[in-house]
Amino acid sequence: EDQVTQSPEALRLQEGESSSLNCSYTVSGLRGLFWYRQDPGKGPEFLFTLYSAGEEKEKERLKATLTKKESFLHITAPKPEDSATYLCAVQPNYGQNFVFGPGTRLSVLP
Amino acid sequence: SAVISQKPSRDICQRGTSLTIQCQVDSQVTMMFWYRQQPGQSLTLIATANQGSEATYESGFVIDKFPISRPNLTFSTLTVSNMSPEDSSIYLCSVERGLGRRTDTQYFGPGTRLTVL
Repeated sequence: EDQVTQSPEALRLQEGESSSLNCSYTVSGLRGLFWYRQDPGKGPEFLFTLYSAGEEKEKERLKATLTKKESFLHITAPKPEDSATYLCAVQPNYGQNFVFGPGTRLSVLP
Repeated sequence: SAVISQKPSRDICQRGTSLTIQCQVDSQVTMMFWYRQQPGQSLTLIATANQGSEATYESGFVIDKFPISRPNLTFSTLTVSNMSPEDSSIYLCSVERGLGRRTDTQYFGPGTRLTVL
Protein backbone atom coordinates (compact mmCIF):
# COMPACT_ATOMS: atom_id res chain seq x y z
CA GLU A 1 0.00 0.00 0.00
CA ASP A 2 1.29 3.45 -0.92
CA GLN A 3 2.08 5.50 2.14
CA VAL A 4 3.45 8.96 2.93
CA THR A 5 4.61 10.00 6.40
CA GLN A 6 5.84 13.36 7.64
CA SER A 7 7.91 14.38 10.62
CA PRO A 8 7.86 16.07 12.94
CA GLU A 9 4.12 16.35 13.51
CA ALA A 10 4.63 19.85 14.87
CA LEU A 11 7.63 22.16 14.98
CA ARG A 12 8.11 25.39 16.86
CA LEU A 13 10.97 27.67 15.79
CA GLN A 14 12.23 31.05 16.80
CA GLU A 15 12.35 33.62 14.02
CA GLY A 16 15.62 33.12 12.12
CA GLU A 17 16.13 29.55 13.37
CA SER A 18 16.58 27.35 10.29
CA SER A 19 15.28 23.77 10.22
CA SER A 20 14.03 20.98 7.96
CA LEU A 21 10.77 19.08 7.56
CA ASN A 22 10.82 15.47 6.42
CA CYS A 23 8.52 13.58 4.04
CA SER A 24 9.12 9.83 3.73
CA TYR A 25 7.29 7.64 1.25
CA THR A 26 6.75 4.00 0.46
CA VAL A 27 5.11 3.87 -2.94
CA SER A 28 4.92 1.66 -6.00
CA GLY A 29 6.39 4.37 -8.19
CA LEU A 30 7.29 8.05 -8.12
CA ARG A 31 5.85 10.17 -10.87
CA GLY A 32 6.02 13.31 -8.76
CA LEU A 33 6.37 14.56 -5.19
CA PHE A 34 4.50 17.72 -4.24
CA TRP A 35 4.82 20.18 -1.38
CA TYR A 36 1.95 22.39 -0.32
CA ARG A 37 1.46 25.07 2.32
CA GLN A 38 -1.89 25.26 4.09
CA ASP A 39 -3.02 28.11 6.30
CA PRO A 40 -5.79 27.43 8.85
CA GLY A 41 -9.21 27.18 7.22
CA LYS A 42 -7.77 27.58 3.71
CA GLY A 43 -7.05 25.30 0.79
CA PRO A 44 -3.51 23.99 0.19
CA GLU A 45 -1.25 26.32 -1.78
CA PHE A 46 1.12 24.66 -4.23
CA LEU A 47 4.83 25.17 -3.54
CA PHE A 48 6.98 22.66 -5.44
CA THR A 49 6.99 19.59 -7.63
CA LEU A 50 10.01 17.26 -7.61
CA TYR A 51 10.34 14.48 -10.17
CA SER A 52 13.54 12.56 -9.53
CA ALA A 53 16.19 11.90 -6.89
CA GLY A 54 18.73 14.66 -6.64
CA GLU A 55 16.37 17.37 -7.80
CA GLU A 56 16.12 20.60 -5.80
CA LYS A 57 13.71 23.53 -5.99
CA GLU A 58 13.86 26.89 -4.19
CA LYS A 59 11.42 29.65 -3.44
CA GLU A 60 12.32 32.49 -1.12
CA ARG A 61 13.24 30.91 2.25
CA LEU A 62 12.14 27.41 1.20
CA LYS A 63 14.19 24.73 -0.50
CA ALA A 64 12.87 21.26 -1.35
CA THR A 65 15.12 18.29 -2.03
CA LEU A 66 14.40 14.71 -3.07
CA THR A 67 16.09 11.36 -2.55
CA LYS A 68 14.85 7.88 -3.47
CA LYS A 69 13.07 7.44 -0.14
CA GLU A 70 12.33 10.91 1.19
CA SER A 71 12.09 14.62 0.61
CA PHE A 72 13.13 17.51 2.81
CA LEU A 73 11.72 20.99 2.99
CA HIS A 74 14.44 23.25 4.33
CA ILE A 75 13.39 26.55 5.83
CA THR A 76 16.15 29.13 6.11
CA ALA A 77 15.82 32.03 8.56
CA PRO A 78 12.05 31.60 8.90
CA LYS A 79 9.69 34.46 9.66
CA PRO A 80 6.39 34.36 11.56
CA GLU A 81 4.51 34.50 8.26
CA ASP A 82 5.97 31.09 7.38
CA SER A 83 3.78 29.59 10.11
CA ALA A 84 1.43 27.08 8.45
CA THR A 85 0.91 23.37 7.91
CA TYR A 86 3.17 21.93 5.23
CA LEU A 87 1.77 18.97 3.32
CA CYS A 88 3.64 16.48 1.20
CA ALA A 89 1.96 14.36 -1.49
CA VAL A 90 3.12 11.71 -3.93
CA GLN A 91 1.63 10.59 -7.23
CA PRO A 92 2.95 7.02 -7.66
CA ASN A 93 2.17 6.67 -11.36
CA TYR A 94 0.53 8.78 -14.04
CA GLY A 95 -3.24 8.88 -13.58
CA GLN A 96 -3.13 7.55 -10.04
CA ASN A 97 -4.49 9.42 -7.08
CA PHE A 98 -2.26 11.64 -5.02
CA VAL A 99 -1.30 10.18 -1.63
CA PHE A 100 -1.06 12.89 1.03
CA GLY A 101 0.96 12.85 4.21
CA PRO A 102 -0.49 14.04 7.52
CA GLY A 103 1.39 17.34 7.42
CA THR A 104 3.78 19.21 9.71
CA ARG A 105 2.43 22.18 11.68
CA LEU A 106 5.09 24.85 11.75
CA SER A 107 4.98 27.75 14.19
CA VAL A 108 7.57 30.52 13.93
CA LEU A 109 7.71 32.76 16.96
CA PRO A 110 8.86 36.39 16.72
CA SER B 1 -1.55 27.54 -11.97
CA ALA B 2 -5.36 27.65 -11.74
CA VAL B 3 -7.86 30.03 -10.20
CA ILE B 4 -10.51 28.06 -8.34
CA SER B 5 -13.44 29.43 -6.38
CA GLN B 6 -15.82 27.62 -4.06
CA LYS B 7 -19.20 28.55 -2.68
CA PRO B 8 -20.12 28.78 0.10
CA SER B 9 -16.88 29.47 1.96
CA ARG B 10 -18.47 28.23 5.16
CA ASP B 11 -21.82 27.10 6.48
CA ILE B 12 -23.46 25.84 9.63
CA CYS B 13 -26.15 23.26 8.99
CA GLN B 14 -28.62 21.21 10.95
CA ARG B 15 -28.44 17.46 11.21
CA GLY B 16 -30.42 15.69 8.48
CA THR B 17 -30.22 18.48 5.93
CA SER B 18 -28.14 18.64 2.73
CA LEU B 19 -25.65 21.19 1.42
CA THR B 20 -24.44 21.66 -2.14
CA ILE B 21 -20.93 23.04 -2.63
CA GLN B 22 -19.99 24.68 -5.91
CA CYS B 23 -16.57 24.72 -7.53
CA GLN B 24 -15.71 27.02 -10.45
CA VAL B 25 -12.41 26.96 -12.38
CA ASP B 26 -11.03 29.77 -14.52
CA SER B 27 -10.40 27.52 -17.53
CA GLN B 28 -11.42 24.13 -18.87
CA VAL B 29 -10.06 21.07 -17.13
CA THR B 30 -10.67 17.40 -17.71
CA MET B 31 -10.55 16.13 -14.16
CA MET B 32 -11.83 17.69 -10.97
CA PHE B 33 -11.37 16.19 -7.54
CA TRP B 34 -13.28 16.50 -4.29
CA TYR B 35 -11.47 16.04 -0.98
CA ARG B 36 -12.51 16.06 2.66
CA GLN B 37 -10.26 17.30 5.44
CA GLN B 38 -11.51 16.52 8.91
CA PRO B 39 -10.27 18.66 11.81
CA GLY B 40 -6.56 18.16 12.38
CA GLN B 41 -6.33 15.57 9.60
CA SER B 42 -4.85 15.43 6.14
CA LEU B 43 -6.74 15.27 2.87
CA THR B 44 -8.92 12.30 1.93
CA LEU B 45 -10.11 11.93 -1.65
CA ILE B 46 -13.88 11.55 -1.95
CA ALA B 47 -14.27 11.22 -5.71
CA THR B 48 -12.97 12.17 -9.13
CA ALA B 49 -15.33 13.96 -11.50
CA ASN B 50 -14.89 13.86 -15.25
CA GLN B 51 -17.19 15.83 -17.53
CA GLY B 52 -19.67 13.62 -19.33
CA SER B 53 -19.32 10.59 -17.11
CA GLU B 54 -20.28 9.51 -13.64
CA ALA B 55 -17.94 10.36 -10.80
CA THR B 56 -15.57 7.71 -9.49
CA TYR B 57 -15.84 7.30 -5.72
CA GLU B 58 -13.12 6.16 -3.35
CA SER B 59 -13.57 3.40 -0.83
CA GLY B 60 -15.79 4.55 2.02
CA PHE B 61 -17.68 7.15 -0.02
CA VAL B 62 -20.95 6.51 -1.86
CA ILE B 63 -22.96 8.41 -4.42
CA ASP B 64 -26.10 8.53 -2.27
CA LYS B 65 -24.25 10.40 0.44
CA PHE B 66 -22.02 12.57 -1.79
CA PRO B 67 -23.71 13.07 -5.18
CA ILE B 68 -21.53 14.97 -7.65
CA SER B 69 -22.42 16.84 -10.81
CA ARG B 70 -20.04 17.89 -13.58
CA PRO B 71 -22.14 19.68 -16.18
CA ASN B 72 -19.20 21.26 -18.06
CA LEU B 73 -15.43 21.57 -18.10
CA THR B 74 -15.23 24.48 -15.64
CA PHE B 75 -17.80 23.62 -12.97
CA SER B 76 -18.72 20.90 -10.49
CA THR B 77 -20.88 20.50 -7.42
CA LEU B 78 -20.64 18.20 -4.41
CA THR B 79 -23.69 17.61 -2.23
CA VAL B 80 -23.33 16.38 1.32
CA SER B 81 -26.63 14.62 2.00
CA ASN B 82 -28.46 13.80 5.21
CA MET B 83 -25.71 15.42 7.24
CA SER B 84 -24.55 14.38 10.68
CA PRO B 85 -21.98 16.04 12.99
CA GLU B 86 -19.37 13.58 11.65
CA ASP B 87 -19.61 15.36 8.29
CA SER B 88 -18.15 18.53 9.83
CA SER B 89 -15.03 19.09 7.74
CA ILE B 90 -13.39 21.29 5.18
CA TYR B 91 -14.41 20.23 1.66
CA LEU B 92 -11.95 21.04 -1.09
CA CYS B 93 -12.11 20.82 -4.83
CA SER B 94 -8.99 20.58 -6.93
CA VAL B 95 -7.97 20.34 -10.56
CA GLU B 96 -4.96 18.94 -12.34
CA ARG B 97 -3.04 21.36 -14.46
CA GLY B 98 -0.06 20.25 -16.52
CA LEU B 99 3.23 22.06 -16.21
CA GLY B 100 4.59 20.78 -19.48
CA ARG B 101 6.51 18.08 -17.62
CA ARG B 102 5.91 14.43 -16.96
CA THR B 103 3.22 14.86 -14.36
CA ASP B 104 0.41 17.18 -13.50
CA THR B 105 0.08 19.25 -10.35
CA GLN B 106 -3.15 19.57 -8.41
CA TYR B 107 -4.32 23.04 -7.50
CA PHE B 108 -6.86 23.53 -4.76
CA GLY B 109 -9.77 25.81 -4.15
CA PRO B 110 -10.08 27.82 -0.93
CA GLY B 111 -12.30 25.19 0.68
CA THR B 112 -15.76 25.10 2.25
CA ARG B 113 -15.81 24.84 6.02
CA LEU B 114 -18.90 22.88 7.05
CA THR B 115 -20.17 22.59 10.60
CA VAL B 116 -23.09 20.27 11.30
CA LEU B 117 -24.99 20.75 14.55
